[in-house]
Amino acid sequence: EDQVTQSPEALRLQEGESSSLNCSYTVSGLRGLFWYRQDPGKGPEFLFTLYSAGEEKEKERLKATLTKKESFLHITAPKPEDSATYLCAVQVYGQNFVFGPGTRLSVLP
Amino acid sequence: GAVVSQHPSWVICKSGTSVKIECRSLDFQATTMFWYRQFPKQSLMLMATSNEGSKATYEQGVEKDKFLINHASLTLSTLTVTSAHPEDSSFYICSAAPAGGRETQYFGPGTRLLVL
Repeated sequence: EDQVTQSPEALRLQEGESSSLNCSYTVSGLRGLFWYRQDPGKGPEFLFTLYSAGEEKEKERLKATLTKKESFLHITAPKPEDSATYLCAVQVYGQNFVFGPGTRLSVLP
Repeated sequence: GAVVSQHPSWVICKSGTSVKIECRSLDFQATTMFWYRQFPKQSLMLMATSNEGSKATYEQGVEKDKFLINHASLTLSTLTVTSAHPEDSSFYICSAAPAGGRETQYFGPGTRLLVL
């Protein structure tokens, strides 16, 4: 069965304190891995797509990396406005997206 | 680009009534649209996948007669919650995938439904 897990479940950082979020997956055939940000009461906002091991994508303070078993979302010098739930999802060939449970990030000023 | 809208953003209705939620892709054509349900502090649960011009595919455990999905055009899908009950209260989110396959899904802002 295709599975996606995320850790930690919740993370509290001080402003400027860099860290990483993890997304681990067990799927039969990875077509793509996606990262989203979701603010409370809103729909997820697309951040990155990664297709193959070794690939990296960056956007402002965020950097996503991918290996054969997991992906990391690195947050460098976070700001309070980075507080949100970060979701990862995998797309398996011939199937729909499978979402992880998310990591709730709080960045304190 | 890649904007998806939902209407209404929130709705309150009485038990037993039906509620329709619209999902539109504003600047791209979406051959496939997805409907999700999300409970507080939980991740997205896929309810159904709709393809333009064909019947929706429902996930296991989702009642197709209760959650009617129509994908009338390449930019519009609707979800109708029929005979709504308090347990149907939730946050419903749609997403749309551009034609061509490898791109991500783009999500709407969500609709909060409260059934009294």
